[in-house]
Amino acid sequence: AQSVTQLDSHVSVSEGTPVLLRCNYSSSYSPSLFWYVQHPNKGLQLLLKYTSAATLVKGINGFEAEFKKSETSFHLTKPSAHMSDAAEYFCVVSDRNQAGTALIFGKGTTLSVSS
Amino acid sequence: NAGVTQTPKFQVLKTGQSMTLQCAQDMNHNSMYWYRQDPGMGLRLIYYSASEGTTDKGEVPNGYNVSRLNKREFSLRLESAAPSQTSVYFCASSEFGWAGTNYGYTFGSGTRLTVV
Repeated sequence: AQSVTQLDSHVSVSEGTPVLLRCNYSSSYSPSLFWYVQHPNKGLQLLLKYTSAATLVKGINGFEAEFKKSETSFHLTKPSAHMSDAAEYFCVVSDRNQAGTALIFGKGTTLSVSS
Repeated sequence: NAGVTQTPKFQVLKTGQSMTLQCAQDMNHNSMYWYRQDPGMGLRLIYYSASEGTTDKGEVPNGYNVSRLNKREFSLRLESAAPSQTSVYFCASSEFGWAGTNYGYTFGSGTRLTVV
């Protein structure tokens, strides 16, 4: 069965500094991996996805993530944080070859950005 | 605009009351899902429907029922609401490509339910 662990429940950075949100996954098959973002009192927005193409995935708003099979990790990074990046971020896994299998969400990481 | 539409956006129920949350998508997706979101818990799957005519339990199905009315619509019913069902509920739909690759979900805007 697949699972995902977000290693930090809360990350605080200053505006203009790098962002690192850590995620480890467990999957029986070749996984699809995603990062979603949720701003306060808003719905969920897809940031980026890995589906077995390039291991370095670029998403929206300058975010990117690298799939590392040997480390079972899919960490989210951004070179320079912006105030508007403050939100909750979810790492998500789905087993491939399992059509209809639902996405499994991590518990989330709250990103705070100070000026 | 194409997407997933949930109704209602807000609801307050008394313990023991019943209600149905509605969800419709216009992207011709085969799969639809209901999640609940609680603080510090992420999103947990309640039920899903891989295709029209099928439904399956997720991680937290107790106290809920679902109906996949047609390809577009997937409703969630609370037969006898309890305070523990106070949560934000999200409906989502998705499509699968070659070899079952999941291309990600499109989420509705959520229903904030309070049971008193």
